[in-house]
Amino acid sequence: DAGVIQSPRHEVTEMGQEVTLRCKPISGHDYLFWYRQTMMRGLELLIYFNNNVPIDDSGMPEDRFSAKMPNASFSTLKIQPSEPRDSAVYFCASTATEGRGGKLFFGSGTQLSVL
Amino acid sequence: GESVGLHLPTLSVQEGDNSIINCAYSNSASDYFIWYKQESGKGPQFIIDIRSNMDKRQGQRVTVLLNKTVKHLSLQIAATQPGDSAVYFCAENEAAGNKLTFGGGTRVLVKP
Repeated sequence: DAGVIQSPRHEVTEMGQEVTLRCKPISGHDYLFWYRQTMMRGLELLIYFNNNVPIDDSGMPEDRFSAKMPNASFSTLKIQPSEPRDSAVYFCASTATEGRGGKLFFGSGTQLSVL
Repeated sequence: GESVGLHLPTLSVQEGDNSIINCAYSNSASDYFIWYKQESGKGPQFIIDIRSNMDKRQGQRVTVLLNKTVKHLSLQIAATQPGDSAVYFCAENEAAGNKLTFGGGTRVLVKP
């Protein structure tokens, strides 16, 4: 099993540019989560999907952030326009229904730097 | 658990000794608790979990203790090895929900 796959591993961009982060969950998992990690705020849940449907997006910082899951094997997190304060590591995680949000499998993350 | 902010607590332990990592959680409605390990440059990795109807659970070289009275969770690592050097996070899940709330983390440094 390849695990959760995220791309790119690193992204450096300039303020104002659009950034798209990608995630492929583990096959068969019906929950997908996007987390952001910073030293100041730790690991924060941004949004999660169940069966490709967004369930809770209360953690999404503002309208500049959007997430989609067009099918069971792909999700994107988009930031437009990006700002320096968006610099963080963004993690995608997935789990199956019986995991009930606890036993998450995380990807290796995308290190985002907005200059 | 609440995010700690800039300063990550650090536990230095001699190789072969036992480690104890503590975590205070905040939500009385949480009924499921998990410990994760995060190595440098990687995503968090599940270690062990415990439900609120238990106060102790053992895995391979790890034990999780739950004290609901004082809302405290601990992770014990037996015979700590260099590969145990990482940041450890506790996380809580509120009953009937799917949202994991992570604590601020504790860095464990294993000295040879």
